[in-house]
Amino acid sequence: DQQVKQNSPSLSVQEGRISILNCDYTNSMFDYFLWYKKYPAEGPTFLISISSIKDKNEDGRFTVFLNKSAKHLSLHIVPSQPGDSAVYFCAASASGAGSYQLTFGKGTKLSVIP
Amino acid sequence: DGGITQSPKYLFRKEGQNVTLSCEQNLNHDAMYWYRQDPGQGLRLIYYSQIVNDFQKGDIAEGYSVSREKKESFPLTVTSAQKNPTAFYLCASRMTSGFYEQYFGPGTRLTVT
Repeated sequence: DQQVKQNSPSLSVQEGRISILNCDYTNSMFDYFLWYKKYPAEGPTFLISISSIKDKNEDGRFTVFLNKSAKHLSLHIVPSQPGDSAVYFCAASASGAGSYQLTFGKGTKLSVIP
Repeated sequence: DGGITQSPKYLFRKEGQNVTLSCEQNLNHDAMYWYRQDPGQGLRLIYYSQIVNDFQKGDIAEGYSVSREKKESFPLTVTSAQKNPTAFYLCASRMTSGFYEQYFGPGTRLTVT
């Protein structure tokens, strides 16, 4: 049973517009969430994270929003650039587990069209 | 430069052979992880280690083995018991407790025929 779901396998956005990537989770014990960006045949790179005590975290063009009641988070990229074209993974962790393991979604492939 | 290295980038083996994938980090991170990625799938945890000489199974440990004799190194052996070994393997590491972010190596693409 998938505990972290990214229901959109792909997303296409025009350069300069906003990209919104969504992620849903089912495990109420998750209290820390991360977004990773991955290019083909490379390792994922950490983008941004958010703790469950916050509902928003911003870093440059990237903003993550967390809606705990809906068990939903989203990554906003503004403005989108062609170099943002990659697969984006949402990940979640439960601090109470003590192991800091991450549970990943299946990813959303973002294509930014020039 | 600090980072995680995985070698080789591409690895080819015949079915029935064991193969060991290398993962080395010089970030002084305590915890290390092995993941597998298949097309259209997320990252699935194979094994992880939080301290030297200790490791735990992840979600898909069957057919794999690991060792953690040094803090810097966490090799993964894909045994002949692994039914579908062809995949992209990723190693990651994390700082001490309190930090969630894992940092990944470049990956090894293993093809078994």
